[in-house]
Amino acid sequence: DAGITQSPRHKVTETGTPVTLRCHQTENHRYMYWYRQDPGHGLRLIHYSYGVKDTDKGEVSDGYSVSRSKTEDFLLTLESATSSQTSVYFCAIRDSSNQPQHFGDGTRLSIL
Amino acid sequence: GENVEQHPSTLSVQEGDSAVIKCTYSDSASNYFPWYKQELGKGPQLIIDIRSNVGEKKDQRIAVTLNKTAKHFSLHITETQPEDSAVYFCAASSPGTASKLTFGTGTRLQVTL
Repeated sequence: DAGITQSPRHKVTETGTPVTLRCHQTENHRYMYWYRQDPGHGLRLIHYSYGVKDTDKGEVSDGYSVSRSKTEDFLLTLESATSSQTSVYFCAIRDSSNQPQHFGDGTRLSIL
Repeated sequence: GENVEQHPSTLSVQEGDSAVIKCTYSDSASNYFPWYKQELGKGPQLIIDIRSNVGEKKDQRIAVTLNKTAKHFSLHITETQPEDSAVYFCAASSPGTASKLTFGTGTRLQVTL
C-alpha cells in the first residue's frame, strides 16, 4: 500500500464548528489531492496541491480551504462545517505526470 | 469541464461469468483512463489504467478497451470470483491539469456463487 495516512478516520461534529482533516504521506510525492465521496456522485475533487505552498481549487471547493507547509502533509479545513459537508473524504497522492493517483482509506465525517 | 458517465450502476453475475462496465467521457483532450476498485471501508485501489495511445490493455483476468472516436472505454473482468465483488470506478483526466481525475458514479459488482 502507498504510504498514506488519513486522520482522524471518523469524526462527528456540530454545525458551525471548524474541522481539520490531515493527510500524511511517506512517499515524498509532489502531488496531493482531496476528494469527497457521496452516493450518486462518485468522487469529486475539492482541492489539490502541486508542491509545498502550491495549491489550487477543484470542482467542489466552496466551504473548504487547504494548506501544505511540508511535502508530507496536506490539510483540509472546513472553517464552519455545514450538514452538506457530511461525507467521506479521501486523500490521494501522485509522484510524476505519468504516474497514477493512490488513495488513502478515507475519513468519515458526520456534521449534525 | 470533463464529464464521465458510468453504466450500469449495479451488476450481478455468477461466479465464472464475465462482467463488463462501460464509461463515456466528454472531453476529447482526455488522455488517461484509470479504473479503481473500492472495497467496503477502504479507499479506491488502482486495478488497471490505459492511455489514449493504446486501444487495449490486459492484466490477467482484467482488460480495458478504449475507443477514442466514440469517447468510451470499458472494463472487462473474466472468470469472475467472489473476491471481485466491490464498487468499481472509472475516471478520466486531461493533459496539463495536474492529472486531476473526473470520476464516474461507480458500479457495484456482486459475484454470486
